[in-house]
Amino acid sequence: EDKVVQSPLSLVVHEGDTVTLNCSYEVTNFRSLLWYKQEKKAPTFLFMLTSSGIEKKSGRLSSILDKKELFSILNITATQTGDSAIYLCAVESQGGSEKLVFGKGTKLTVNP
Amino acid sequence: DTGVSQDPRHKITKRGQNVTFRCDPISEHNRLYWYRQTLGQGPEFLTYFQNEAQLEKSRLLSDRFSAERPKGSFSTLEIQRTEQGDSAMYLCASRYYREETQYFGPGTRLLVL
Repeated sequence: EDKVVQSPLSLVVHEGDTVTLNCSYEVTNFRSLLWYKQEKKAPTFLFMLTSSGIEKKSGRLSSILDKKELFSILNITATQTGDSAIYLCAVESQGGSEKLVFGKGTKLTVNP
Repeated sequence: DTGVSQDPRHKITKRGQNVTFRCDPISEHNRLYWYRQTLGQGPEFLTYFQNEAQLEKSRLLSDRFSAERPKGSFSTLEIQRTEQGDSAMYLCASRYYREETQYFGPGTRLLVL
């Protein structure tokens, strides 16, 4: 059965800090790994990763995938209070419904 | 494009009652997913439609749960004889087969008393 483990489960930092969120996975027929941000409502899409070693960036956020070691990291530099949210990692397998299997998420709190 | 919409946004019901939720996907998205999310957990897959066909159901979807997508557009999720353990956020997502990701709706938060 596909499985996603995120760490840490909770993190408290000060504005301006840099954080690294971790996601390890086990999946048969890997297709992609996705990162979402959730702020008390629906998850909003951040990144989709399919190939190892290729960094995806969006402003202060970046992410990379290691398919050999089966993990991904999400980096946030110069954190702001608006980055406070739950960050969800999910994997998608090929074939079938291509449903997402999520981890429990990392709750990030950025204090001013 | 108004995104995925869900109705109602909140529902409080008494144990044993039936409830029905609606999801309107992004137009032209032929794939529709239902997930359930409880406190401290990531969303868990419930079921999947491609057009009007329900192609996969999770074992989480007991016989008290039923989902439909009659014309391949909106979908409904019904829970019969609700139990307190059904209290959760029910999320709907849609996807166009060429798109890279699923787009989530705002969710329906269910509280069973």
